[in-house]
Amino acid sequence: GQNIDQPTEMTATEGAIVQINCTYQTSGFNGLFWYQQHAGEAPTFLSYNVLDGLEEKGRFSSFLSRSKGYSYLLLKELQMKDSASYLCAVRSAGNNRKLIWGLGTSLAVNP
Amino acid sequence: GAVVSQHPSRVICKSGTSVKIECRSLDFQATTMFWYRQFPKQSLMLMATSNEGSKATYEQGVEKDKFLINHASLTLSTLTVTSAHPEDSSFYICSADTGREQFFGPGTRLTVL
Repeated sequence: GQNIDQPTEMTATEGAIVQINCTYQTSGFNGLFWYQQHAGEAPTFLSYNVLDGLEEKGRFSSFLSRSKGYSYLLLKELQMKDSASYLCAVRSAGNNRKLIWGLGTSLAVNP
Repeated sequence: GAVVSQHPSRVICKSGTSVKIECRSLDFQATTMFWYRQFPKQSLMLMATSNEGSKATYEQGVEKDKFLINHASLTLSTLTVTSAHPEDSSFYICSADTGREQFFGPGTRLTVL
């Protein structure tokens, strides 16, 4: 079957660094996505990894290891506004472009 | 990132009426768009994949005659909720595929009275 696993909840302190892990088992692989979703709003695109390695974009970085079926999202210099749900999604191989979604990690940033 | 719009952002209607939601890719062409539904404090649920120029592909359990999808151009997909009932009240969100990444519209909050 196809499976995406990520922690349900995490807590961190303002100004700190937090790493949100995601492991996946899918039939083929054609890219991994991270999205941020605040309560009551639509998801916002954060990153897309299709090759192994680290992609850095400001305070957010995303890492991928295809051989391990593993990714993480790294958030630096945490701000209160980073409190949100972080969604990991994988696009499997083939012509179907749909994403397979994890259940999301709810991150609470405390002062 | 690419921009996807949705209209309307919020709609309230009476039970039995039909509601049309538009999803537009503003600065790119999207051969494929997706329609999701999300109930409060629950995960995104994919309803269907909308392909330009062909019939939509619906996920298991989603009634295609109730949720009509039309993808008439490379920048526009529409979802029509026919004969809406209170249980259809939800947050409907579209996403558009650039060929590499996928971006979401801001969502449409539907309330059926």
